[in-house]
Amino acid sequence: GAVVSQHPSWVICKSGTSVKIECRSLDFQATTMFWYRQFPKQSLMLMATSNEGSKATYEQGVEKDKFLINHASLTLSTLTVTSAHPEDSSFYICSAWGTSGINEQFFGPGTRLTVL
Amino acid sequence: AQSVTQLDSHVSVSEGTPVLLRCNYSSSYSPSLFWYVQHPNKGLQLLLKYTSAATLVKGINGFEAEFKKSETSFHLTKPSAHMSDAAEYFCVVSGSAGNKLTFGGGTRVLVKP
Repeated sequence: GAVVSQHPSWVICKSGTSVKIECRSLDFQATTMFWYRQFPKQSLMLMATSNEGSKATYEQGVEKDKFLINHASLTLSTLTVTSAHPEDSSFYICSAWGTSGINEQFFGPGTRLTVL
Repeated sequence: AQSVTQLDSHVSVSEGTPVLLRCNYSSSYSPSLFWYVQHPNKGLQLLLKYTSAATLVKGINGFEAEFKKSETSFHLTKPSAHMSDAAEYFCVVSGSAGNKLTFGGGTRVLVKP
């Protein structure tokens, strides 16, 4: 099956700093990538949808200036958490929708962010 | 609009006994439905998916689910639980565009020896 990677798998940062998380589709081209957030023992909440070469579409309640998403190529999307605060600590998961027309998203392994 | 309700937040079973995870959905159109499993601190793994073909869907690791339109349900079952089945399970419905997913609240499965 298709493989999606995320880097880093975990990161610890100080409050006020910015953190970038990468999401890559390794063996297919992804026209659309999604970013989810998951708090402990909770379900996944969609944060935003990014299409290659265009601006991301954010879900209601998600601050676009805080969570910057860039989808510069068909295999890479990045999420930058700007001026991170402890409440941003969470598990961030990306997924990719391929160009093959298969009705399935492929998920990355997730990135654990801890803000001190 | 679409939504998914997983009727049990926790399910506890003994090893070797059947597992039933219940899921009801709401959708304005013919949905695609998925079950994913997430082990602790791991990403999501697709167990199975329904995309308007056979209503009984067989997945990996012995899991299967039945799509019942009249009951708007997509329950997940496994005849015999294994210790490795202890994880979080998510029922998911896709949007009209086919790519926006809505997740249920999740069901945590505990398998007792």
